[in-house]
Amino acid sequence: GDSVTQMEGPVTLSEEAFLTINCTYTATGYPSLFWYVQYPGEGLQLLLKATKADDKGSNKGFEATYRKETTSFHLEKGSVQVSDSAVYFCALSNQDDKIIFGKGTRLHILP
Amino acid sequence: KAGVTQTPRYLIKTRGQQVTLSCSPISGHRSVSWYQQTPGQGLQFLFEYFSETQRNKGNFPGRFSGRQFSNSRSEMNVSTLELGDSALYLCASSLVGAGEETQYFGPGTRLLVL
Repeated sequence: GDSVTQMEGPVTLSEEAFLTINCTYTATGYPSLFWYVQYPGEGLQLLLKATKADDKGSNKGFEATYRKETTSFHLEKGSVQVSDSAVYFCALSNQDDKIIFGKGTRLHILP
Repeated sequence: KAGVTQTPRYLIKTRGQQVTLSCSPISGHRSVSWYQQTPGQGLQFLFEYFSETQRNKGNFPGRFSGRQFSNSRSEMNVSTLELGDSALYLCASSLVGAGEETQYFGPGTRLLVL
């Protein structure tokens, strides 16, 4: 079945460091890909998405490119802030419209 | 526009009891999905409702059930609670639930089973 694998956390970085959170997927067909973020005590919020190969989703300085050849959707940010501390979830949605989430990566940014 | 609301926000129950959680989607959204979030299993899809019909179902036992009303509000019920049902239950809504659509999540209901 469809699945999403993302890097284990926690990831701890200093402010202004470069961030990469890896995400790979297994799916039939051409899924849509998402990154969601969950701040402490809150529900999930969509961070960015891409619906077809080579699309780049971007928001709040975060970017991810849909790479069909490597079945990846890695999340990147050039300079992280303390306020980016949260749990990040990679997800896919396929023809059956269910969303499959990765296990989440907790990110800690130190001032 | 008001976001997705879930009630109650926190709940404590004992084993064997049943519980009903409520979700009000964003106005105009007709698809409501439910997820269970636990530290060990992450986010797992429970089911999705669209126009009062269950359209998708995850791999959960029959103790987990739900329904959707004509105003798109949804309820989720868990009967004969077990300790392992302790989790954050998240509800998400979208316009029609198509794969490429953004889902909007509520803050969740945190259930503790003692």
